[in-house]
Amino acid sequence: GAGVSQSPRYKVAKRGQDVALRCDPISGHVSLFWYQQALGQGPEFLTYFQNEAQLDKSGLPSDRFFAERPEGSVSTLKIQRTQQEDSAVYLCASSPFGGTYEQYFGPGTRLTVT
Amino acid sequence: GNSVTQMEGPVTLSEEAFLTINCTYTATGYPSLFWYVQYPGEGLQLLLKATKADDKGSNKGFEATYRKETTSFHLEKGSVQVSDSAVYFCALGRDSNYQLIWGAGTKLIIKP
Repeated sequence: GAGVSQSPRYKVAKRGQDVALRCDPISGHVSLFWYQQALGQGPEFLTYFQNEAQLDKSGLPSDRFFAERPEGSVSTLKIQRTQQEDSAVYLCASSPFGGTYEQYFGPGTRLTVT
Repeated sequence: GNSVTQMEGPVTLSEEAFLTINCTYTATGYPSLFWYVQYPGEGLQLLLKATKADDKGSNKGFEATYRKETTSFHLEKGSVQVSDSAVYFCALGRDSNYQLIWGAGTKLIIKP
């Protein structure tokens, strides 16, 4: 079956631009996670949704970062006024249940801010 | 706080060699522990997991044992293949929200 998909796969933004990154989780998956992965590092947690509820956004690095999942399926991570330090791979993962570590990852979106 | 430290790469081995990738952790309570693998051009995939002390996770010939006394979860494989070349990540799970906390990853290169 279809896995987690993310779009775009690559995004180049000029500093100061706003970007929107999309995640399509596996159909029916309850939980959705966003992670940020800098070059040569492991992913770092950004935020967690259970259905449409954002239960944890403690990892969002600043108020320029915003995530939503309005209908409990597709999610969008928005970054306003991008800065060079936002350059990273943004990973989305979904999970069939709440309260489980069984996470399926998408291929990521590589964001480069110039 | 919670953290994961894994050995730096790249690790380069010949085919059929024995593999160990070290992973140690710092955590409050009793976290679950995971190894994920990322093949070139692909997303992260769960390789194996262990949820309590002394559990052994295994998959595809890889094994790791949850050692609470040494706070370790080292990944081992008896005979590696070229197809095992990938980046391996050790991670721990926080029960409060099921987020994963990751090590920096270890790149494994297997030469024929």
